Amino acid sequence: AQTVTQSQPEMSVQEAETVTLSCTYDTSESDYYLFWYKQPPSRQMILVIRQEAYKQQNATENRFSVNFQKAAKSFSLKISDSQLGDAAMYFCAYRSGSGTYKYIFGTGTRLKVLA
Amino acid sequence: EAGVAQSPRYKIIEKRQSVAFWCNPISGHATLYWYQQILGQGPKLLIQFQNNGVVDDSQLPKDRFSAERLKGVDSTLKIQPAKLEDSAVYLCASSLDPYNEQFFGPGTRLTVL
Repeated sequence: AQTVTQSQPEMSVQEAETVTLSCTYDTSESDYYLFWYKQPPSRQMILVIRQEAYKQQNATENRFSVNFQKAAKSFSLKISDSQLGDAAMYFCAYRSGSGTYKYIFGTGTRLKVLA
Repeated sequence: EAGVAQSPRYKIIEKRQSVAFWCNPISGHATLYWYQQILGQGPKLLIQFQNNGVVDDSQLPKDRFSAERLKGVDSTLKIQPAKLEDSAVYLCASSLDPYNEQFFGPGTRLTVL
């Protein structure tokens, strides 16, 4: 069975600085996708970035980028130039590339942005 | 474009009572998901629909939870009878199909006393 592990329950970063959130996963599948979701306080969960396992190039979305290490089964999220609006829970998620395409989420990392 | 709608937003019940949650997905989205998010944990998939058929319900406690998606649009999730450990946020999400991005609703926060 697939698992997703986020070992950092909470992280803090100064405004305008860079922070990296860690995620590891376990799977025996070769076809899968990885995601980072953001859940602001009392607001809806939204997709931040996604990575296809077959792509070697790391995904980037503006200030958000990932470091995808397939052999190590590691998928970290880097947030550059942190802003107060980045404060939220961040969830790493795995989705199979076949079958039911079921999502599996990690336990989340709470990010605090300090002014 | 309207997002995923859920109601109610909050619900407080006594244990052993019944409760139902409603979800209206984004128009045209064939795939609908119900998740349970217990405080301090990530969302756990309870059931996934493709149109009005069930794709995955392996983590749905079928002795007390049920869900349906009549006509492949709106969906309801029911708990009968509720237990203390059912206290959680119930999230509904939808996507065009299983391969595309899922969009989440605001969730229903359930407290079982």
